[in-house]
Amino acid sequence: AQRVTQPEKLLSVFKGAPVELKCNYSYSGSPELFWYVQYSRQRLQLLLRHISRESIKGFTADLNKGETSFHLKKPFAQEEDSAMYYCAPLREYGNKLVFGAGTILRVKS
Amino acid sequence: DVKVTQSSRYLVKRTGEKVFLECVQDMDHENMFWYRQDPGLGLRLIYFSYDVKMKEKGDIPEGYSVSREKKERFSLILESASTNQTSMYLCASSFPSGEETQYFGPGTRLLVL
Repeated sequence: AQRVTQPEKLLSVFKGAPVELKCNYSYSGSPELFWYVQYSRQRLQLLLRHISRESIKGFTADLNKGETSFHLKKPFAQEEDSAMYYCAPLREYGNKLVFGAGTILRVKS
Repeated sequence: DVKVTQSSRYLVKRTGEKVFLECVQDMDHENMFWYRQDPGLGLRLIYFSYDVKMKEKGDIPEGYSVSREKKERFSLILESASTNQTSMYLCASSFPSGEETQYFGPGTRLLVL
């Protein structure tokens, strides 16, 4: 079965510290990978996708096929980054996403 | 801006009631999804529809059914609500390529007593 693991339920960092939200997936090949974010009282929205190789709000995510990981990183956390983050690879068959359990990022001042 | 709307933000129902959750999108998306969001479990796919009158079971379809009579509208039906269906329900839509962004509604928080 295709699995996505986000090992941390909660990640708490101080403002200005580096952030790494971990994501590991279990299936072979080169899946398309996404990070979605949900800020307080807002709807879930796309943060970034692997295929675009872009940086959004200072976040980047690199696909490591050897480790089957797609960790989300930001060099200097801001208080407005506090949110729930979901890693979501595309399923191997069909155009549906598999969501991880999510990680709450709390940035303290 | 893509708009995905859900009929209710909060809903309280009694065990055994039939519950309808409605979702409407205005971007002519072929794909529509229903998820439930629970702490520690993330989002789990209940049902998926890739066209009018077409549907596919997701990972947790038991106790749910869906209806897609028009392209813009996707309904989730709880035939006989149970307390373990208390949850946040999210609707989403996307274009069919699979690489496209999924756009989410604001969610319906359902409490079954």
